[in-house]
Amino acid sequence: AQKVTQAQTEISVVEKEDVTLDCVYETRDTTYYLFWYKQPPSGELVFLIRRNSFDEQNEISGRYSWNFQKSTSSFNFTITASQVVDSAVYFCALSVGETSGSRLTFGEGTQLTVNP
Amino acid sequence: GAVVSQHPSWVICKSGTSVKIECRSLDFQATTMFWYRQFPKQSLMLMATSNEGSKATYEQGVEKDKFLINHASLTLSTLTVTSAHPEDSSFYICSAASIMDTEAFFGQGTRLTVV
Repeated sequence: AQKVTQAQTEISVVEKEDVTLDCVYETRDTTYYLFWYKQPPSGELVFLIRRNSFDEQNEISGRYSWNFQKSTSSFNFTITASQVVDSAVYFCALSVGETSGSRLTFGEGTQLTVNP
Repeated sequence: GAVVSQHPSWVICKSGTSVKIECRSLDFQATTMFWYRQFPKQSLMLMATSNEGSKATYEQGVEKDKFLINHASLTLSTLTVTSAHPEDSSFYICSAASIMDTEAFFGQGTRLTVV
């Protein structure tokens, strides 16, 4: 069985602060995909990143960066210089198998509030 | 990315009535569609997986006679909540994937309120 843990239920920061959202996953499969999604109050899921289990390179996209460490089964997400518009619930998710277009196991989500 | 359209975006219905939610892949053929449910301030939980032309596979604890899923074509899957009750009020969201793709794409979600 797969499991995703986001230990931080809520995080509150002041604008321009950096913030890291933690994600720890569990799976016995050697081939899997990890995702991060943003869910604003309107409810839709906004795809942020997908990473497969064979690619441990960290990734940076603008103010967003991701740190994937298989040794600790973690896939953490950092927002640099946070902005009010970053306020949302962020979900980490896992799918197993050779294609990532399969069922997702979601973490519990982290509510991020960025205050002006 | 590919586009998945879900309709309606919100619906209010009376207790005891049935509600149908549609999930359409607009620019690709979706061999597999997934239905998730999200209660307020909770995570998304998979309800069922449907493959085009075959019966849906339901997760443990999900009543298949209450949540009817039809995936009759490669671009459309429907979820019907039968005899809805207030405890069925939730956010329902679908995702779709093609056999050629390495990613499932999400619809916008449907907020169901049963009064």
